[in-house]
Amino acid sequence: GNSVTQMEGPVTLSEEAFLTINCTYTATGYPSLFWYVQYPGEGLQLLLKATKADDKGSNKGFEATYRKETTSFHLEKGSVQVSDSAVYFCALSNSGNTPLVFGKGTRLSVIA
Amino acid sequence: DGGITQSPKYLFRKEGQNVTLSCEQNLNHDAMYWYRQDPGQGLRLIYYSQIVNDFQKGDIAEGYSVSREKKESFPLTVTSAQKNPTAFYLCASRPQRGGETQYFGPGTRLLVL
Repeated sequence: GNSVTQMEGPVTLSEEAFLTINCTYTATGYPSLFWYVQYPGEGLQLLLKATKADDKGSNKGFEATYRKETTSFHLEKGSVQVSDSAVYFCALSNSGNTPLVFGKGTRLSVIA
Repeated sequence: DGGITQSPKYLFRKEGQNVTLSCEQNLNHDAMYWYRQDPGQGLRLIYYSQIVNDFQKGDIAEGYSVSREKKESFPLTVTSAQKNPTAFYLCASRPQRGGETQYFGPGTRLLVL
């Protein structure tokens, strides 16, 4: 079946540090991959996505590259800010007929 | 503006009471979803609907019920059979086409009195 595994948190970084949150997946075929962000007390917002191998999604300084050979979609940001503190979810979609499959989420705390 | 609305933002339930959470979308999306999120936890799928008048159970459907009489609306009822309903409930929708983004509402926090 389809599944997503992401690194467990919490992750605590100082402001301006480099961020990596690992995400690997198991799926048949060619899934689309997503990163969502959830700020405290809110719903999830799409951060970025990639729909085919070697695509790079990017938004707000965050990037992730769809690596089919390693079945990975790691999230990176070169310099985090306090405002990036949130929970980040990796997800995949294998077809339009089934719900997204989510990882368990990684909580990021950025301290000044 | 297009989007997903959930109401109320906070909801209190008494013992033995059924409560209904509202979810409305004006994005013309075919599919709608309900998730439960417990503190510090990920998302768990309760129910989903891919088309009007049809819905499927997710991973934790026991103690919940839904209806999909209109494309825009997918209300969730938390019944008295759900013994531990305190959680954050998230509604989502997306087009039926593959690879499309799923959009989330702002959530409803349900508390038991």
